[in-house]
Amino acid sequence: GENVEQHPSTLSVQEGDSAVIKCTYSDSASNYFPWYKQELGKRPQLIIDIRSNVGEKKDQRIAVTLNKTAKHFSLHITETQPEDSAVYFCAASRTGTASKLTFGTGTRLQVTL
Amino acid sequence: EAGVAQSPRYKIIEKRQSVAFWCNPISGHATLYWYQQILGQGPKLLIQFQNNGVVDDSQLPKDRFSAERLKGVDSTLKIQPAKLEDSAVYLCASSLSGTINEQFFGPGTRLTVL
Repeated sequence: GENVEQHPSTLSVQEGDSAVIKCTYSDSASNYFPWYKQELGKRPQLIIDIRSNVGEKKDQRIAVTLNKTAKHFSLHITETQPEDSAVYFCAASRTGTASKLTFGTGTRLQVTL
Repeated sequence: EAGVAQSPRYKIIEKRQSVAFWCNPISGHATLYWYQQILGQGPKLLIQFQNNGVVDDSQLPKDRFSAERLKGVDSTLKIQPAKLEDSAVYLCASSLSGTINEQFFGPGTRLTVL
């Protein structure tokens, strides 16, 4: 089955700096890669996703890049703000009826003032 | 649009007791998922339903966990008997279709087994 590894497990940046979180996956048939943000005690919420027919996707201060050959994808957050502090999870899945998401272990991002 | 609803939000039980969780997905969502999230880890899929049929239950500990989605809408997840290691947040999620992967999560049920 799919295995997703995520690094780093914790990340501390100063407000205004950039943050990068990296994930690798094992199943070459995976073609959907979402990122979820989970604030303490709350539900995971989708912040951005990418499909394997594109290499990069941006949404304001957030971007995701995908390298299918190397089987890795990354989340980039620019101009970080205190409200970006949360745990971020990457995930991977195939498309299709049995489209199971396999999650990474999470990155705790702390944005300090 | 209403989100995924779950109840109860919190549950404390003793080991060997039974517990049940309820989930109501977003209206019209055919696919429903139950995840277990242990503290400090990512969600792990327990079971996936497409309408009222099971698509994937490969990681469901079937000796103690069961789930059903009888009318293809609401779902219940049961643990009987509970073990200490079942302490976790149980998240329900739904998506419009299994082929469209965006999943929307409910608030979760935090289970503590003493």
